[in-house]
Amino acid sequence: DAGVTQSPTHLIKTRGQQVTLRCSPKSGHDTVSWYQQALGQGPQFIFQYYEEEERQRGNFPDRFSGHQFPNYSSELNVNALLLGDSALYLCASSLTGDTQYFGPGTRLTVL
Amino acid sequence: AQSVTQLDSQVPVFEEAPVELRCNYSSSVSVYLFWYVQYPNQGLQLLLKYLSGSTLVKGINGFEAEFNKSQTSFHLRKPSVHISDTAEYFCAVRSAGSARQLTFGSGTQLTVLP
Repeated sequence: DAGVTQSPTHLIKTRGQQVTLRCSPKSGHDTVSWYQQALGQGPQFIFQYYEEEERQRGNFPDRFSGHQFPNYSSELNVNALLLGDSALYLCASSLTGDTQYFGPGTRLTVL
Repeated sequence: AQSVTQLDSQVPVFEEAPVELRCNYSSSVSVYLFWYVQYPNQGLQLLLKYLSGSTLVKGINGFEAEFNKSQTSFHLRKPSVHISDTAEYFCAVRSAGSARQLTFGSGTQLTVLP
C-alpha cells in the first residue's frame, strides 16, 4: 500500500518565478493538506482540500493557491516567488480530515 | 485558535537512558493531540495520537505519551532510547470540532549519545 507521494523531491527557482508541487494521497484518503516548513521550524498550515474545494486556509497570501483533482491528488502553486518561500513543502492526506499522514516533502530553494 | 509550546529545543541523552520530551498546548476548545517524528531530510511520521479515552497513549517504537487536561500537557516518554531515536520530534494539536488543521510546536531535537 503506497503512502503519500510528492514530486519533485527538490526544486530550484529564482525570484519572481512560479512553481507547481504535486501530491498523491495515501490509498483510500480523500483529503489533502499542505504545510510549509521553514528551516528549523515546525510546519505551518497552508490550506486543505476536500471534494475538490479549499475547505480551510491558513495565514498565507493569495500567491499560494491549490487544486484537488477527482482522483484526490493535489497541486500547490506559488506565484511570484520570494526568497522567503524557500522551505520544505509537506503534503498530508487523511480520510475526511481525520489523522493526517505526511509525504516526504518537496525541498524548494528560491535564489 | 490553538498554540503549542515545546519547552526544550534540544535534548541530549545517553543510549539506554529514559527520556521525556515536553509539550504544552493552549486552546479554548477540546483538542486532539499528536506526536510526529522527522528524520533528517524526510517527512513526518506519526508516532502516536490522543483522540479520546485513556489518557495514556502508546505509540510506535516504544514511545508513549500522557494527556493531562488540567495542565494542558502531552509529554512524550520512552523508558530506554536507542541511537536510532535521534531525530526531530514535533507535538501538534487539532481542534476536535470542524477545524482540521494541525498546529505544530517548534520541535525538539533528540540526540542519543553512545
